[in-house]
Amino acid sequence: SAVISQKPSRDICQRGTSLTIQCQVDSQVTMMFWYRQQPGQSLTLIATANQGSEATYESGFVIDKFPISRPNLTFSTLTVSNMSPEDSSIYLCSAEGVAKNIQYFGAGTRLSVL
Amino acid sequence: AQTVTQSQPEMSVQEAETVTLSCTYDTSESDYYLFWYKQPPSRQMILVIRQEAYKQQNATENRFSVNFQKAAKSFSLKISDSQLGDAAMYFCAYRSAKTSGSRLTFGEGTQLTVNP
Repeated sequence: SAVISQKPSRDICQRGTSLTIQCQVDSQVTMMFWYRQQPGQSLTLIATANQGSEATYESGFVIDKFPISRPNLTFSTLTVSNMSPEDSSIYLCSAEGVAKNIQYFGAGTRLSVL
Repeated sequence: AQTVTQSQPEMSVQEAETVTLSCTYDTSESDYYLFWYKQPPSRQMILVIRQEAYKQQNATENRFSVNFQKAAKSFSLKISDSQLGDAAMYFCAYRSAKTSGSRLTFGEGTQLTVNP
């Protein structure tokens, strides 16, 4: 299994600012994923991040709003840009282990935008 | 596109009893993986159990077992001897086996309450 450290665990931000969320994996992984989860709801995939190439975004999510970096096989960041109260949510990163095609998740970042 | 449906938004069970959570999915693929994840209030998504579609044998992990019915596209989770720590949101998820790094498709979740 892979252990994923995500930070910050929570933050309160002002409208119009940006927040960068970091995701560190304890082993090399091919694919990393970023999800958004509204309280009490399911997970929605924002984008898939492959090392050395641009992230692939899902419908409804754009790079200008959610830029992603994947500089190596153990690390990725998601930036939530020009935030509005509608961006208040939980953001989770995950990574797929090399065996068994299992995704492991970080503990999530609870973002509140005022 | 694949879809995953969990028809039970909430379930409750008495401690030490057995509960079954339902999940159905829709796909045209023959090779895929199915998962149950648990999300307690801490928000950490924890893998409970994994099933490979080409395996007829139902997966089991201690008190957790699945009833995988491929033809019916059904994948239910049975929790035996329920414990207070089992209380959480449970998500059923589908992953294609086609390519590396395929996305997970999640159901809406079932909130499980365990009563002492």
